[in-house]
Amino acid sequence: QITLEESGPTLVKPTQTLTLTCNFSGFSLSTSGLGVGWIRQPPGKALEWLALIYWTGDKRYNPSLKNRLTVARDSSKNQVFLTLANMDPVDTGTYYCAHRGGGDSLLDYFDYWGQGALVTVSS
Amino acid sequence: SYELTQPPSVSVSPGQTARVTCSGDALGNQYAHWYQQKPGQAPVMVIYKDTERPSGIPERFSGSTSGTTVTLTISGVQAEDEADYYCQSPDSTGFYPVVFGGGTRLTVL
Repeated sequence: QITLEESGPTLVKPTQTLTLTCNFSGFSLSTSGLGVGWIRQPPGKALEWLALIYWTGDKRYNPSLKNRLTVARDSSKNQVFLTLANMDPVDTGTYYCAHRGGGDSLLDYFDYWGQGALVTVSS
Repeated sequence: SYELTQPPSVSVSPGQTARVTCSGDALGNQYAHWYQQKPGQAPVMVIYKDTERPSGIPERFSGSTSGTTVTLTISGVQAEDEADYYCQSPDSTGFYPVVFGGGTRLTVL
């Protein structure tokens, strides 16, 4: 059974760096074809993809946010981390981590999601 | 940037068929995937690779594609299907490997 759970601060100040942790179970990021993605959703708005880390260690970022984003993993602990620098109130929203489907194909889709972590940016 | 365009809203009566479209220049040669999101909940994948249905998703959910438009069809809509629906696909260059549409609110009248 695959599960994912996001954790991190619920409130950050403008200009600070946000660090979120995704704790997952039911799969290993060392297994070929697997990956973990991060997606966020401002209140009342659409989903926005942020980053993906693959079993190979390769990373992909949303080009619109690339200079602020970092994704990393600790495969031994079944954890993936997301950092977003220079936070602004427009970064307020729910941040999700999700299991990448697609296997060894080039397809990226998300077949299991965490419940999300609400992050508010305010001074 | 690359965009996937969805209608903001679709309304149907119970038992009718709902169709949610998603348009994008690369959809003619890239797969699309669909997610359902109910208020206060995480998204759930309902269709992947244009037409494939994950296990546990009711058969009334189906996907199709024509040219640069993909469509999510819900046959015999039930009240529990009221939700936001998002398509997802990459652009044709790989510069944007994951893009979500703006979402469609399905209202069951």
